[in-house]
Amino acid sequence: GQQLNQSPQSMFIQEGEDVSMNCTSSSIFNTWLWYKQDPGEGPVLLIALYKAGELTSNGRLTAQFGITRKDSFLNISASIPSDVGIYFCAGQLFPNSGYALNFGKGTSLLVTP
Amino acid sequence: GAVVSQHPSWVICKSGTSVKIECRSLDFQATTMFWYRQFPKQSLMLMATSNEGSKATYEQGVEKDKFLINHASLTLSTLTVTSAHPEDSSFYICSARLQGSEGYTFGSGTRLTVV
Repeated sequence: GQQLNQSPQSMFIQEGEDVSMNCTSSSIFNTWLWYKQDPGEGPVLLIALYKAGELTSNGRLTAQFGITRKDSFLNISASIPSDVGIYFCAGQLFPNSGYALNFGKGTSLLVTP
Repeated sequence: GAVVSQHPSWVICKSGTSVKIECRSLDFQATTMFWYRQFPKQSLMLMATSNEGSKATYEQGVEKDKFLINHASLTLSTLTVTSAHPEDSSFYICSARLQGSEGYTFGSGTRLTVV
């Protein structure tokens, strides 16, 4: 699959701080998705991005699809302890094609009260 | 929303035995399902893509005779790990692509431990 470079690998922050993570790729993707995975669970979709330049919010989460279609960032504002988990970016090369998602390596987020 | 039910959530088996993992799409039909494997502290690695009524497409390096995938209906896909060995111990996750959309939904995963 295509390589997605996700950073940072891990973050250790205090409750209330803002968080930012990003993904880049050498390939152009048609769709960028951000997932959160809790231990022992499957990934849960946070935000889906379909258009270059698109900026989408979901509560305290904001994500943008880069204008070149090769990158995306996810911001979490005013973090809370339940934000703890692993966040993955995922890209899909072709819409409605049945192609599987390509995942980044994940960002592990720890939030202290 | 669309839900994929994956069972079992965890299984421990003896080396040399086979284990079957099921994924069912609830309230929707999944023409395509994906099977991933995830080792501790690592990302999801695609193992194979299964399409209803046809043979699965395996990723490079994944043994099709060891990881048998059956997608006999639009709501059920199974992964059977045959002759399991300790190195097969991992977290296996299925995912379904929603028909007519670009959405994907994931099962809750199966923790396989081979002893």
